[in-house]
Amino acid sequence: ELKVEQNPLFLSMQEGKNYTIYCNYSTTSDRLYWYRQDPGKSLESLFVLLSNGAVKQEGRLMASLDTKARLSTLHITAAVHDLSATYFCAVGQETSGSRLTFGEGTQLTVNP
Amino acid sequence: NAGVMQNPRHLVRRRGQEARLRCSPMKGHSHVYWYRQLPEEGLKFMVYLQKENIIDESGMPKERFSAEFPKEGPSILRIQQVVRGDSAAYFCASSALGQGIVGYTFGSGTRLTVV
Repeated sequence: ELKVEQNPLFLSMQEGKNYTIYCNYSTTSDRLYWYRQDPGKSLESLFVLLSNGAVKQEGRLMASLDTKARLSTLHITAAVHDLSATYFCAVGQETSGSRLTFGEGTQLTVNP
Repeated sequence: NAGVMQNPRHLVRRRGQEARLRCSPMKGHSHVYWYRQLPEEGLKFMVYLQKENIIDESGMPKERFSAEFPKEGPSILRIQQVVRGDSAAYFCASSALGQGIVGYTFGSGTRLTVV
């Protein structure tokens, strides 16, 4: 059974600081997704990572994928308050069809 | 191009009643997925459907839950005889390709409260 673990689960950081959220998964995967969720809202797609070594950047967020280590990272650069949200990674496997397995989420709070 | 439309946004049901949640996929998408999110948790896969077919229902509880995606109209997630533990946010996602390689688009969710 595929397991996806994120850490930390809670992250409080100051504006202007850098930090990394980690997503580990237990079995071979062919795609990894990062989503953002604001309280009471739906999930917003941030990144889709499809190959080993993939790196994608959007604004202050950068995601990478190491399929050999079964690890993805979401790096936050010079955080701002607007980045406060819950971030989920999700892993897909061809063997499980189109289902995604989500991590528990990382609740990020950026303080002024 | 409207996104994935779910309704109602909020639904309150008494224990023992039925809940019907609707999902209209994005235009051009013929694959629908339902996920459930319990408070303070990640999303858990429930079921994957194509038009008139259930492809994968491995995440569906064995009793009281059913899903359909008819030839015409929205996908329906039906929960019979609801219990307090069914209170959660239910999200629908759609994709144009079965593998969802290009990613999924999620609806705004239906927040079910069982009182």
